[in-house]
Amino acid sequence: QSALTQPASVSGSPGQSITISCTGTSDDIGTYKYVSWYQQYPGKVPTLLIYAASSRPSGVSNRFSGSKFGNTASLTIAGLQAEDEADYYCSSYATGSWVFGGGTKVTVL
Amino acid sequence: QVTLRESGPALVKPTQTLTLACTYSGFSLSTPGMSVSWIRQPPGKALEWLALIDWGDDKFYSTSLKTRLTISKDTSKTQVVLTMTTLHPVDTGTYYCARTGMGTTEAFDIWGQGTVVTVSS
Repeated sequence: QSALTQPASVSGSPGQSITISCTGTSDDIGTYKYVSWYQQYPGKVPTLLIYAASSRPSGVSNRFSGSKFGNTASLTIAGLQAEDEADYYCSSYATGSWVFGGGTKVTVL
Repeated sequence: QVTLRESGPALVKPTQTLTLACTYSGFSLSTPGMSVSWIRQPPGKALEWLALIDWGDDKFYSTSLKTRLTISKDTSKTQVVLTMTTLHPVDTGTYYCARTGMGTTEAFDIWGQGTVVTVSS
């Protein structure tokens, strides 16, 4: 049950698109479509952005999109805005357990 | 409106046992597909999933911590309780409970505000 691998940081200018990768194994992302993504502002509670790899809960901006291929999942933020500056975590189901990534800090330049 | 609220001691001594409660409202943990997890976050570090209990009373634990964890539920009190034994300073952090709902498969859709636990003598 090793943590999923995410880049420590990703940055972009306002209006640009950025993509955060989340790499797992055949025991988690490679087998299950149950990948989710969370946004967390400093000192705040994480909130769900994406579930089932590419589905958005109601109320989440369509600027956020998710995908999965093989052992890697990705979160894309389109039209980057200052309010998108936060930490982002991926998570995957893995046969009776759940695992998170190490988190990615997104900086808006 | 679905809410979850964690409660428990803010300070625990090393080697002691920690007991946290998650009081939920707005949904039934007896409904098929529903579950509640405990997730923690050390200061400045990543989220870590700890345990989950589902509507059928099935329980799942982090492989690395399973010998120290016990999760249970009391649907009459709408509470989920997590017990962690033999606390160490590295167990310091914010402990969240979070729901997995029927519509958001295997994702944590609603989180509590978290409770901060410090392990120190």
